[in-house]
Amino acid sequence: AQSVSQHNHHVILSEAASLELGCNYSYGGTVNLFWYVQYPGQHLQLLLKYFSGDPLVKGIKGFEAEFIKSKFSFNLRKPSVQWSDTAEYFCAVNEHSGNTPLVFGKGTRLSVIA
Amino acid sequence: GAVVSQHPSRVICKSGTSVKIECRSLDFQATTMFWYRQFPKKSLMLMATSNEGSKATYEQGVEKDKFLINHASLTLSTLTVTSAHPEDSSFYICSARVANRGNEQFFGPGTRLTVL
Repeated sequence: AQSVSQHNHHVILSEAASLELGCNYSYGGTVNLFWYVQYPGQHLQLLLKYFSGDPLVKGIKGFEAEFIKSKFSFNLRKPSVQWSDTAEYFCAVNEHSGNTPLVFGKGTRLSVIA
Repeated sequence: GAVVSQHPSRVICKSGTSVKIECRSLDFQATTMFWYRQFPKKSLMLMATSNEGSKATYEQGVEKDKFLINHASLTLSTLTVTSAHPEDSSFYICSARVANRGNEQFFGPGTRLTVL
């Protein structure tokens, strides 16, 4: 079975600071990897996804993530955060083939202060 | 495209009553729908997977007689919480997978259930 761990429970940054949120997964096979964001009071939105190809994936709102297969990691990055990035961020994984549901990490709450 | 709606967005009910939550894919046909439960400040926990026209597959520890899932059409799945109790209070989120768009799942806005 797959599992996802997100190392940071709550991250507090000042505006313009750089962001990196850790995500590691455990699964022996090929996977698809996702980052979702949940703004306060809103539903989950897809930030970016990796299925195959270039391990550096660019998403919406200036976010990117790098898949490092040897480390089973898919860390999310943004060079300069804004106050509007305050939200909950979830890393998720599912099997590359087959009809399997997404398995989520516990989430990281990001608070950006002015 | 790929919009998923849920109804109601918020429901309060008395202990012992049943509550039905609807999940609709508005502009696509969803061959598979998923139901998740999100506890406060916790991650999403998968409850069940349902394929149109067949019985749902429940995750370990989820009571199938308590959480009834019906996926009667390619655009509608329902979750009925039967004989609800206060511990069933939670945020329920549905998700739909598009058959011809790989493995991407689209999420509904969620339903906040409060059982008094």
